[in-house]
Amino acid sequence: QVQLVQSGAEVKKPGASVKVSCKASGYTFTSYGISWVRQAPGQGLEWMGWISAYNGNANYAQKNQGRVAMTTDTSTSTAYMELRSLRSDDTAVYYCARENGPDGRGYYHGMDVWGQGTTVTVSS
Amino acid sequence: NFMLTQPHSVSESPGKTVTISCTGSSGSIARNYVQWYQQRPGSAPTTVIYEDNQRPSGVPDRFSGSIDSSSNSASLTISGLKTEDEADYYCQSYDSSNRVFGGGTKLTVL
Repeated sequence: QVQLVQSGAEVKKPGASVKVSCKASGYTFTSYGISWVRQAPGQGLEWMGWISAYNGNANYAQKNQGRVAMTTDTSTSTAYMELRSLRSDDTAVYYCARENGPDGRGYYHGMDVWGQGTTVTVSS
Repeated sequence: NFMLTQPHSVSESPGKTVTISCTGSSGSIARNYVQWYQQRPGSAPTTVIYEDNQRPSGVPDRFSGSIDSSSNSASLTISGLKTEDEADYYCQSYDSSNRVFGGGTKLTVL
């Protein structure tokens, strides 16, 4: 079955970096993109960015541009999200999600499969 | 910037029907696809509606989605409510290449 399995919880100090992995299985990895979404404690969902597993093109939410980098390794069907210069307000659960698109008209079709989430805690 | 606004909370009794709205701030909400995600406490989100009104396999037909261009809003309707439907629901769409989430609606089934 289609599945996204994320790496385990992380505890980091302010100013450090974290790299979360998301291993895909059950589908052709390069036929979809991966979005990364985070959720701070008690808060809603916040989109962080998207990467095409086909060609590595990425676009990031303006809020974290310059601190975030998304990559893929097609040989292992794994996507990565690295966040640098961590602050306490980066404490959140980070999710990867498979996303369909863009199609021939440039439309995206939403996220259909989600990883289990990775808790990142930033604390001194 | 394009925003999606949802009611903070809704409640309804088991067996009844509830509709959750998602209103776009500008432009036409029909311009891009709208998705709905369900998140139970302590769990990852799951997709209940994609492409405005399509259900993934395994999602019961009690869940339906629609678009109303006149009010620039999307709606998620759940009929025959069950206690297991109690969860947070998020709408999501697009603004250029950015993904936009609504603030979420807490559904209480009591």
